[in-house]
Amino acid sequence: AQSVTQPDIHITVSEGASLELRCNYSYGATPYLFWYVQSPGQGLQLLLKYFSGDTLVQGIKGFEAEFKRSQSSFNLRKPSVHWSDAAEYFCAVGLSGGYQKVTFGTGTKLQVIP
Amino acid sequence: KAGVTQTPRYLIKTRGQQVTLSCSPISGHRSVSWYQQTPGQGLQFLFEYFSETQRNKGNFPGRFSGRQFSNSRSEMNVSTLELGDSALYLCASSLEWSRRGDTQYFGPGTRLTVL
Repeated sequence: AQSVTQPDIHITVSEGASLELRCNYSYGATPYLFWYVQSPGQGLQLLLKYFSGDTLVQGIKGFEAEFKRSQSSFNLRKPSVHWSDAAEYFCAVGLSGGYQKVTFGTGTKLQVIP
Repeated sequence: KAGVTQTPRYLIKTRGQQVTLSCSPISGHRSVSWYQQTPGQGLQFLFEYFSETQRNKGNFPGRFSGRQFSNSRSEMNVSTLELGDSALYLCASSLEWSRRGDTQYFGPGTRLTVL
């Protein structure tokens, strides 16, 4: 069965600093990979997704993620964090064929300090 | 295009009662999935419906059930509520959720509190 690990429960960065959120997955075949963001009291918003092709994926709000098969990782990055980026971020993995049952990581809560 | 809508947004029930939550997917989307989100267990998949049929189911007891109507709207029902059912219930829709490249779009959720 597939699984997702987000090793950092909570991260604090200064506004304007760079950000990297870690995500490691376990799955035998090529997975579908997603990053979602959730603001307090809200649903999940898709930031970006990787299905195939270019391993560097660009998303919304200036985020990008890189799929590294050798490291089973799909880390999320942003060069300069804004205060509005404070939220919880979820990495997710889905099966690569047929209808999907996506597995979510436990989330990383991002705090941005001025 | 309107996003995924969920009603009600907040709900308070007592143990033993039952509850029905509703989800209207994005127009044209035929797949609806339900998730339960709690601080302790995180996001857990409940079930997925496509064309009024349940295609996929997570590891939840039979007290949790759902259905989908011909217009793709979906309802989720929880019977004999327990304190542990307190959670944010999220609905997600997608075109078919079986094509490569398909993506789920989430609603704002229904916050259920069981007293």
